[in-house]
Amino acid sequence: SQKIEQNSEALNIQEGKTATLTCNYTNYSPAYLQWYRQDPGRGPVFLLLIRENEKEKRKERLKVTFDTTLKQSLFHITASQPADSATYLCALRYEGGYSTLTFGKGTMLLVSP
Amino acid sequence: KAGVTQTPRYLIKTRGQQVTLSCSPISGHRSVSWYQQTPGQGLQFLFEYFSETQRNKGNFPGRFSGRQFSNSRSEMNVSTLELGDSALYLCASSHPGQRSTEAFFGQGTRLTVV
Repeated sequence: SQKIEQNSEALNIQEGKTATLTCNYTNYSPAYLQWYRQDPGRGPVFLLLIRENEKEKRKERLKVTFDTTLKQSLFHITASQPADSATYLCALRYEGGYSTLTFGKGTMLLVSP
Repeated sequence: KAGVTQTPRYLIKTRGQQVTLSCSPISGHRSVSWYQQTPGQGLQFLFEYFSETQRNKGNFPGRFSGRQFSNSRSEMNVSTLELGDSALYLCASSHPGQRSTEAFFGQGTRLTVV
């Protein structure tokens, strides 16, 4: 069955460092992968989308890589700030599922001042 | 433009009751998806509607149902509530014209079953 895995352990880092989050998937051949941010008690907010033919995508302090051979995406936040503390979710479009997205369980990031 | 609106924000119900949640998508978005989020299971897909038709369904019991109206607004209903139905219910809308489109989520409805 199709599966998306994200590190369930919270990631604790110091302000100013680079945070790197991992998303691994199996039994998918996704055309693209998305990353979302979710704050407690709120809905996820879209951050970045990367297509299968793109190795890397950047937006301000965010960078996403996509390795379809390893079936893995890495999400980086450079010069992290306490305001970056949140849960980060990766999502793949379910094959044949039109607009349906399948989400990983997310990784909580905690940035200490 | 206005975002996705979900009502109510919070709800407390008793086991055995039924509940209806509402979602108004972004204007122009005809695709609406519903998700259940719990601490243990994460975001789980319930169903997706497009132009008043359910075109995809997740692995949930028949107690969970939904519908979409001609103005794209959607409702989901849960009958015979169980304690395990306590969760954050999220609705997301997207533009159907692009296959790689992002999903826009509402704030969610926090349902507590006692």
